[in-house]
Amino acid sequence: GAGVSQTPSNKVTEKGKYVELRCDPISGHTALYWYRQSLGQGPEFLIYFQGTGAADDSGLPNDRFFAVRPEGSVSTLKIQRTERGDSAVYLCASSLWSGGNNEQFFGPGTRLTVL
Amino acid sequence: QQQVKQSPQSLIVQKGGISIINCAYENTAFDYFPWYQQFPGKGPALLIAIRPDVSEKKEGRFTISFNKSAKQFSLHIMDSQPGDSATYFCAARTGGGNKLTFGTGTQLKVEL
Repeated sequence: GAGVSQTPSNKVTEKGKYVELRCDPISGHTALYWYRQSLGQGPEFLIYFQGTGAADDSGLPNDRFFAVRPEGSVSTLKIQRTERGDSAVYLCASSLWSGGNNEQFFGPGTRLTVL
Repeated sequence: QQQVKQSPQSLIVQKGGISIINCAYENTAFDYFPWYQQFPGKGPALLIAIRPDVSEKKEGRFTISFNKSAKQFSLHIMDSQPGDSATYFCAARTGGGNKLTFGTGTQLKVEL
């Protein structure tokens, strides 16, 4: 079956602009996660959804970052007033449910470059 | 605060050799320790995982060794192959939690 998909695969924007990154999880997966991976680093947790609600948004760096999952499936990560430091690969993952030994399946990521 | 420390940063191994990557953690609330493999342009993929109630888990050529008292765990890749060349990340998750805390990664190159 299809894995986690993310669009766009690459996004180049200018400092100060607004961007939206989309994640389509594996069908039937109720939990969805966003991570950010800077060059040469491991992924860093941003936010996690169980169904439609954000169950843990402790990793969002500041209020310029916001994510939604209105119907419990597709999620959008929104970044306002982008800064050069926001440049990274944004990874989305999904799992059947949360907790336990539940495997998180990762998408290929969206590479965001802020000029 | 880096809660999971990973070493080495890079590793070169000859084909057929053993690759060893080490991780250490600080948070004793962690109770699930997966290893991920990442190829360029791809997302991380789960390789093998362990809980702290066992000291070793083996799946094919991949083995996790876990030392709870030392708060350390390692990945051993036996009979390393060129196709194993990738970046490997250790990670940890708290009991009942959902977010993974990743190490900084090890870039493995297996040479012929």
